[in-house]
Amino acid sequence: NAGVMQNPRHLVRRRGQEARLRCSPMKGHSHVYWYRQLPEEGLKFMVYLQKENIIDESGMPKERFSAEFPKEGPSILRIQQVVRGDSAAYFCASSPVQGGNQPQHFGDGTRLSIL
Amino acid sequence: KQEVTQIPAALSVPEGENLVLNCSFTDSAIYNLQWFRQDPGKGLTSLLLIQSSQREQTSGRLNASLDKSSGRSTLYIAASQPGDSATYLCALQDAGGTSYGKLTFGQGTILTVHP
Repeated sequence: NAGVMQNPRHLVRRRGQEARLRCSPMKGHSHVYWYRQLPEEGLKFMVYLQKENIIDESGMPKERFSAEFPKEGPSILRIQQVVRGDSAAYFCASSPVQGGNQPQHFGDGTRLSIL
Repeated sequence: KQEVTQIPAALSVPEGENLVLNCSFTDSAIYNLQWFRQDPGKGLTSLLLIQSSQREQTSGRLNASLDKSSGRSTLYIAASQPGDSATYLCALQDAGGTSYGKLTFGQGTILTVHP
């Protein structure tokens, strides 16, 4: 009965490197949302995925960021050529359905630090 | 576009006081409203979820209300304790056609309860 699992919990990268953040949704959940919490700011929606499909990426920066949720395995948020401004906490949430009255269940987040 | 505002931004009270946190929103087309607690460096803990058709929810010393017509929600904490110190976040699940159930968060209220 594991909840949403995110790894790593902490990730340190140097400028220009790539960061890969993983999210395993709760069992039976096929809807994944990614949110970003910049320092001193609230959580902001980034992207919504269903298995093998990106449904809404309206909150994703246009460059360097990508997300996937393959048929098998966790959802991946990928940040290429990281910059200092990417330092933030990245949270993943999963749901059994899209919208409706089902709450989203959150992971503990990945804290990304860029040196 | 949904906008969520939380007042006050920070609140410091002595132990034992009853207190109210406020959340206002601009678009009443929502599935639900949720109050979260976030401790420093940690993930989100869901406290209460109020469905769109409901007016309030209670859990222990916590009571949350929802008034869609005025676009407001309050979180009432009775007999506050130092362990209640945390950031409290209000989040709405939008019901608009292209919202896909994503959450819109307020900036949070930082609560400090001192002994």
